Amino acid sequence: GIQVEQSPPDLILQEGANSTLRCNFSDSVNNLQWFHQNPWGQLINLFYIPSGTKQNGRLSATTVATERYSLLYISSSQTTDSGVYFCAVVMGYALNFGKGTSLLVTP
Amino acid sequence: EAGVTQFPSHSVIEKGQTVTLRCDPISGHDNLYWYRRVMGKEIKFLLHFVKESKQDESGMPNNRFLAERTGGTYSTLKVQPAELEDSGVYFCASSQGGNGYTFGSGTRLTVV
Repeated sequence: GIQVEQSPPDLILQEGANSTLRCNFSDSVNNLQWFHQNPWGQLINLFYIPSGTKQNGRLSATTVATERYSLLYISSSQTTDSGVYFCAVVMGYALNFGKGTSLLVTP
Repeated sequence: EAGVTQFPSHSVIEKGQTVTLRCDPISGHDNLYWYRRVMGKEIKFLLHFVKESKQDESGMPNNRFLAERTGGTYSTLKVQPAELEDSGVYFCASSQGGNGYTFGSGTRLTVV
């Protein structure tokens, strides 16, 4: 099956810092989504972004489908950004998740 | 519109007992999926319904897991009998067309 690799696996930031999370995938995909799993375990959809760039507040994402990667930018990080960020890609209908990037934002 | 709703949010059961998780997808979504995240590992696909039919259940770990979607609306996932390794967070998601997947808040299952 398709391989989804996320980096870095862990990240610690001080509040206010910026960061870039990366997702590489091994094959052409129909869909790519970024999710945030918050400390309460809820899985929140951030972006549905099979290609191009989208922005939502302090977050933005870019997917370059031809080169099989996507980037998630977090600017001016806040403690509430802590949690695990998952990239997931679709071939067919089922999502294939990466192992996630665990982010801790400290005050 | 209401999102994907899962019930219960938490469940603690003893090994050998039965637990039933419920998922109400977004109204009108034909596609319903179950996923789970076992502690510290990635989120894994369990199965996919299209309306009331099981499209793919290749991710179901074993025959202790049974999923149903009567009438093509809500779905249940039963674990019987539960084992320690079944502990984790069970997510439900629904989709329609090419608009991405919406996940519920998950059910955190702890088997003791």
